[in-house]
Order: sequence, then C-alpha cells, then structure tokens
Amino acid sequence: DQQVKQNSPSLSVQEGRISILNCDYTNSMFDYFLWYKKYPAEGPTFLISISSIKDKNEDGRFTVFLNKSAKHLSLHIVPSQPGDSAVYFCAAFYSGGGADGLTFGKGTHLIIQP
Amino acid sequence: DTAVSQTPKYLVTQMGNDKSIKCEQNLGHDTMYWYKQDSKKFLKIMFSYNNKELIINETVPNRFSPKSPDKAHLNLHINSLELGDSAVYFCASSQGNSNQETQYFGPGTRLLVL
Repeated sequence: DQQVKQNSPSLSVQEGRISILNCDYTNSMFDYFLWYKKYPAEGPTFLISISSIKDKNEDGRFTVFLNKSAKHLSLHIVPSQPGDSAVYFCAAFYSGGGADGLTFGKGTHLIIQP
Repeated sequence: DTAVSQTPKYLVTQMGNDKSIKCEQNLGHDTMYWYKQDSKKFLKIMFSYNNKELIINETVPNRFSPKSPDKAHLNLHINSLELGDSAVYFCASSQGNSNQETQYFGPGTRLLVL
C-alpha cells in the first residue's frame, strides 16, 4: 500500500534548465510534506518542506508546490546544476500521529546532463 | 562533525546470527528513529523512540528490538537474522516528537545476510 508515490524512477534534465519532480499521496490525513535528497552511500538529507496550510514554499533554487485537492506535490529546481544529480525522496506525515515517522516514496533519480 | 552516525557501515553475516547496529546523534535531539530501505527502495519506518515513548511499526518482526542506553543513542538489535533482513538500515533523529521538525539521517548500514 503505497501512500506516497513517485511514479518517475528517473529524470534527465539539461544543466541550467528546470527540473520538476512529482509526488502523489493517497492519505488525506497527511498534513506535512518534505523532500529529501540522497547521494549514493549516504543517508537522505533534508531539502525543503511544506505544511498543508500553504501551497508554495521557496528556498533559493528549490520550490515546492502543494495541490491538496489533487493530493499532489512537486519540487522545482531552477536552474539545475550538476551537483543536483541525486535521488530525491518525497515524504509525508500526519502531525496528529505522534512520532510515527515519515512515509517515503520510492524516490526519483535526477540526472543533470552538462 | 557527524550529526548522526551509524556503525558499522557494512555488515555481512550468516543466517541465524544475532547482530546489533549502533546509532549516535550529537544534535541533542529528543527523538530517534530506525528506517529500513528494502530492495524496492522503499524507506519504511521501523521504530521511533524518545525518552518516554517507543512506537513500533506493527509490521516489524519482534526479532528486531531497539535499545537506548541514553538520549543520544538508539541501537538496533536483531535476533536470528533471516535472508529477508538484508537491506539498508537508516537511523534518524529530530528535535521533538511531533514530526514537524526535520529528521536528520545517518549514512546507513548495509546489512547482507547470507
């Protein structure tokens, strides 16, 4: 039962262009969403988050958009840089659920081409 | 300075053995977690623990037990290892237990059961 889905296992984008990573969720109780970035042989690193009371959060080159009615969020990276090549995990949780941990998607491998 | 560290980084062992993976965080966080990343790349919560409460994912076999000697450590002990336990195990920590705080991940421990 995949409550958080990232349907694109990989994405290739040219350097300097915009990267858009998508994430869908099925649990309507989720009210906080995060994106993590992971390099090989390392643990996930927090990137950006958004609360369900917002529809957009921006941090430098990274912007996360949330569409609650569609249960969809996306991560935009612009401009894309070679160092952005990594696996990106979407994660979600329900704040009223205590310390239940995060529910992760399977990840999308972003490849930035020079 | 490593915020969340895990040892060992790699662990190869025989079926039926008992093994432990150690996790330490120097962030002064209150809550620690163990996640398992299986062969399908899903990151799934196994345990979350603060000084007062242990929350166990009901799908985790009771061969797995977290042990916390103090607030900065949450070790994972596994009894009678099985082939299906082969995975990457990630430890994480956060300041509080509401999950609104960012979780910081360790580098992962790659367990291979032969």
